[in-house]
Amino acid sequence: KAGVTQTPRYLIKTRGQQVTLSCSPISGHRSVSWYQQTPGQGLQFLFEYFSETQRNKGNFPGRFSGRQFSNSRSEMNVSTLELGDSALYLCASSLGRGTQETQYFGPGTRLLVL
Amino acid sequence: EDQVTQSPEALRLQEGESSSLNCSYTVSGLRGLFWYRQDPGKGPEFLFTLYSAGEEKEKERLKATLTKKESFLHITAPKPEDSATYLCAVSVIYGGSQGNLIFGKGTKLSVKP
Repeated sequence: KAGVTQTPRYLIKTRGQQVTLSCSPISGHRSVSWYQQTPGQGLQFLFEYFSETQRNKGNFPGRFSGRQFSNSRSEMNVSTLELGDSALYLCASSLGRGTQETQYFGPGTRLLVL
Repeated sequence: EDQVTQSPEALRLQEGESSSLNCSYTVSGLRGLFWYRQDPGKGPEFLFTLYSAGEEKEKERLKATLTKKESFLHITAPKPEDSATYLCAVSVIYGGSQGNLIFGKGTKLSVKP
């Protein structure tokens, strides 16, 4: 069974630009969560989607948004990029709601903001 | 506030030298505790889920245990390929963190041959 896939794997942007990251969950998984990982803060929760609805949101500004499609694939968007947005963005999928099921992570998208 | 603390931050072992990693947590209500392994440049790889105090799980050289305040990841006779960052995360039943995983900062393990 294929794992969680994320595209692109690497991205370089400049301040002020926007970016869209994509995540395809494990087949049959309906919940997708997004996390930001930085050396200083570690892994921090961004948001969770289940059945095309955002179920929970972390403590991030409104520049961070996401959506989920009917096939459970998910995208996250960051507008007006700042230098501090440079990070590894990880997507995780689970069969059901995130807290009730084990989350399996993708390889991540490494975003560098210049 | 729900919190997860891992110790030590870094651990260097000789091949075959057994040790334990610690994950202590302060949460309103624990739904589950998860251990992940992360290699450089990769996403976390799932290892174990523990749900109740006294529960233990094993996989090859790794054994995870859970009490009401902390979890241990015991590594028996480690090999160089066990070198990685080990992450602990909790999911909670109540409060503002409900619905997401709360991660510790991780323990970076290096095993020298």
